[in-house]
Amino acid sequence: AIHLTQSPSSLSASVGDSVSITCRASQDINIALAWYQQIPGQAPKLLISDASTLTSGVPSRFSGRGFGTDFTLTINSLQPGDFATYFCQHFNTYPFIFGQGTKLEIQ
Amino acid sequence: EVQLVESGGGLVQPGKSLRLSCAASGFTFDEYAMHWVRLIPGKGLEWVSGISWNGGRTGYADSVKGRFSISRDNAKNSFFLHMTSLRADDTAVYFCAKDKQWLGGGLDAWGPGVVVNVAS
Repeated sequence: AIHLTQSPSSLSASVGDSVSITCRASQDINIALAWYQQIPGQAPKLLISDASTLTSGVPSRFSGRGFGTDFTLTINSLQPGDFATYFCQHFNTYPFIFGQGTKLEIQ
Repeated sequence: EVQLVESGGGLVQPGKSLRLSCAASGFTFDEYAMHWVRLIPGKGLEWVSGISWNGGRTGYADSVKGRFSISRDNAKNSFFLHMTSLRADDTAVYFCAKDKQWLGGGLDAWGPGVVVNVAS
């Protein structure tokens, strides 16, 4: 199975800051990577697919990049609603494993 | 509007079986892959299983392989997760989710989730 390692596991920032989260795959997955935001008590929300394609309705403050094994989610100008947990997931081959998550907390 | 609704969760004893169902509406069901994902408090998200648009391809997490089985009924806009030999560590909130593609590309719609509690 292809595994994903997210870093950092937690992150503190302030409203208005920019942050980046990385996701490293154990094998080349081309661009078969998605990013999600998960708020406690809610279902996850798809932010980005195919490594860099922004889901309709998601603010342009969110961006993704990467190819092969190294991927990054960047959030610019953090807003109060952005403080949540973020997960990456690959879609190269079954099983479509998630990363372990990055909890973004308000400083 | 895309809607997904899970059913079939509850309290079940270790070693027993349970069948989750997901009813879909608001999109052309037989064009998309569907998935089951679980959320274990304190442990994050775990992709459990997925099925391609026509059921021709299925996949499972290593933790459930051989115990869980996924299926779909395109005529009824529904898909299912048959869980056997349940263990305490299967306790979680289970979500059904729609893929944006026929096999796998991103889970763009989710149900509200259903609780499965495996305990004696």
